[in-house]
Amino acid sequence: RKEVEQDPGPFNVPEGATVAFNCTYSNSASQSFFWYRQDCRKEPKLLMSVYSSGNEDGRFTAQLNRASQYISLLIRDSKLSDSATYLCVVNTNAGKSTFGDGTTLTVKP
Amino acid sequence: DTAVSQTPKYLVTQMGNDKSIKCEQNLGHDTMYWYKQDSKKFLKIMFSYNNKELIINETVPNRFSPKSPDKAHLNLHINSLELGDSAVYFCASSAHLSGRAYEQYFGPGTRLTVT
Repeated sequence: RKEVEQDPGPFNVPEGATVAFNCTYSNSASQSFFWYRQDCRKEPKLLMSVYSSGNEDGRFTAQLNRASQYISLLIRDSKLSDSATYLCVVNTNAGKSTFGDGTTLTVKP
Repeated sequence: DTAVSQTPKYLVTQMGNDKSIKCEQNLGHDTMYWYKQDSKKFLKIMFSYNNKELIINETVPNRFSPKSPDKAHLNLHINSLELGDSAVYFCASSAHLSGRAYEQYFGPGTRLTVT
């Protein structure tokens, strides 16, 4: 089993749709969690950190469920510019970051 | 004022050659990383250095040798290049306090093609 698993998609949604990505992790000692975004032929960039209480940044909402060991990302009112690959990242206390294989989102007009 | 920079951006070379990729960060971070992203776009950590000390060394052929001359630099030297080494190599950096790694900032990547 992979340490971090994501549904690879692709997710193809129309503009304005709401889309949700899930990510599960196997190491119960994981301490910090992030969502990154990677555009084609570009480097990954931090989208948002994920906090235990859940957090929101504009149209983006991230949630963490430690008991079930999964994190989620919800995107509301999708824009064309949201098309990208979304990477789930889990850090352990040993300082190791494990990236999921990514979920590809395409938002269509 | 690029935060994490890598050189070169593109590298085309023949099998058997030795090449180096350089990385520098000006964020004041104490931890730096090398990742490999293959043709399937999977991002895998190779090495991590904290304050010039190697802290993570994943299963990577010993043809790959990282070197950190100081906290702001982490270079990657690759000996005897093979076709399978073709990939995009990303450098990244982060703060690292009390065993906790914070969010990482990535360089633009080096696209290595071995022919």
